[in-house]
Amino acid sequence: DTEVTQTPKHLVMGMTNKKSLKCEQHMGHRAMYWYKQKAKKPPELMFVYSYEKLSINESVPSRFSPECPNSSLLNLHLHALQPEDSALYLCASSQTQGPYEQYFGPGTRLTVT
Amino acid sequence: EDQVTQSPEALRLQEGESSSLNCSYTVSGLRGLFWYRQDPGKGPEFLFTLYSAGEEKEKERLKATLTKKESFLHITAPKPEDSATYLCAAAQGGSEKLVFGKGTKLTVNP
Repeated sequence: DTEVTQTPKHLVMGMTNKKSLKCEQHMGHRAMYWYKQKAKKPPELMFVYSYEKLSINESVPSRFSPECPNSSLLNLHLHALQPEDSALYLCASSQTQGPYEQYFGPGTRLTVT
Repeated sequence: EDQVTQSPEALRLQEGESSSLNCSYTVSGLRGLFWYRQDPGKGPEFLFTLYSAGEEKEKERLKATLTKKESFLHITAPKPEDSATYLCAAAQGGSEKLVFGKGTKLTVNP
């Protein structure tokens, strides 16, 4: 099973709202990732968790707050977003000791109004 | 600086017309070269991992190859359902990050 699930599929939120994106994998992977993807662009890395610890933060604004409650779950908490944050948010997971391919979820389409 | 460059940006083929997509990379200590397929509004779907020069992988109408400087994704007798954006990404040794190319948008006309 190479499935990564994400909820919700679509999210519309105002600039004063607080919402969360959720991601789950059951492949036993110990690395999980959040990406942001704008139209016609490749995925842009935001955060990496390795063994439930934040290992990479790509200078993402503090209005995005990641959380890794356990090895299967990854959340992205959103607060006071801007319209330019509207994008497809992708979660991915991979093994840490190889092979290193990342498996992506279907994404959450976020619109900030 | 690590870079991955894909060409062409867009490719239109007739059904059955074979072709190749190119991915050139400059990554120190390459740990793996990955190909993904992405349909509009969906997450990238993993296709292949290549680890060393000379390696080849095949899946249905797709074949990926790797040299020391580039990778090719060969599409044999494509069908309209092969239409998608194909992304190439490289992993550098010692890093969990993938360096993505900008993708090739493939359109196969019936």
